[in-house]
Amino acid sequence: QKEVEQNSGPLSVPEGAIASLNCTYSDRVSQSFFWYRQYSGKSPELIMSIYSNGDKEDGRFTAQLNKASQYVSLLIRDSQPSDSATYLCAVEIQGAQKLVFGQGTRLTINP
Amino acid sequence: NAGVMQNPRHLVRRRGQEARLRCSPVKGHSHVYWYRQLPEEGLKFMVYLQKENIIDESGMPKERFSAEFPKEGPSILRIQQVVRGDSAAYFCASSEGMAGNQPQHFGDGTRLSIL
Repeated sequence: QKEVEQNSGPLSVPEGAIASLNCTYSDRVSQSFFWYRQYSGKSPELIMSIYSNGDKEDGRFTAQLNKASQYVSLLIRDSQPSDSATYLCAVEIQGAQKLVFGQGTRLTINP
Repeated sequence: NAGVMQNPRHLVRRRGQEARLRCSPVKGHSHVYWYRQLPEEGLKFMVYLQKENIIDESGMPKERFSAEFPKEGPSILRIQQVVRGDSAAYFCASSEGMAGNQPQHFGDGTRLSIL
């Protein structure tokens, strides 16, 4: 089992709809979780971090964390074509002082 | 621009040559990470350094690859005797504290092409 798993997609969502991205992880004691957005040919850009169970909202983005089920998700409301990118989930590996990234989910917002 | 600075942005080398990639972290950040990304794949951790120390190099190939983060100057990722399989995007990230406690901020990467 991979340490961090994401559905590679592609995920297509109509403009204005909610895009839902999911990530599962294997390390039960992980405490820190991050979502990065990466446009083609560009560097990853941090968009959300979450450390405790529940929801965290920032503008159109909501991160959801469920440590018991070992999953973290990202919701994008009112999706825009500019949201089309690859979204990377990253999980801290407890005690290893490093992040492990999922393979990314490619999201396409259709006008 | 106070972000992570990487250079060169693009680097072309012939097989057997050396590649040297540089990374200047965000001012005030003392933690540096190097990642490799192949096309259509996620980021693979290579090495984590603090000033003058390698903390974790578990993701770095045992041969031909080395990294340093000297007291003064940028962090350097060095690849000796490059092979075609080394072609990838190499990203550097920095953080103020340890991974997990502080988010990592990425540079624009170096695209390495091996002829």
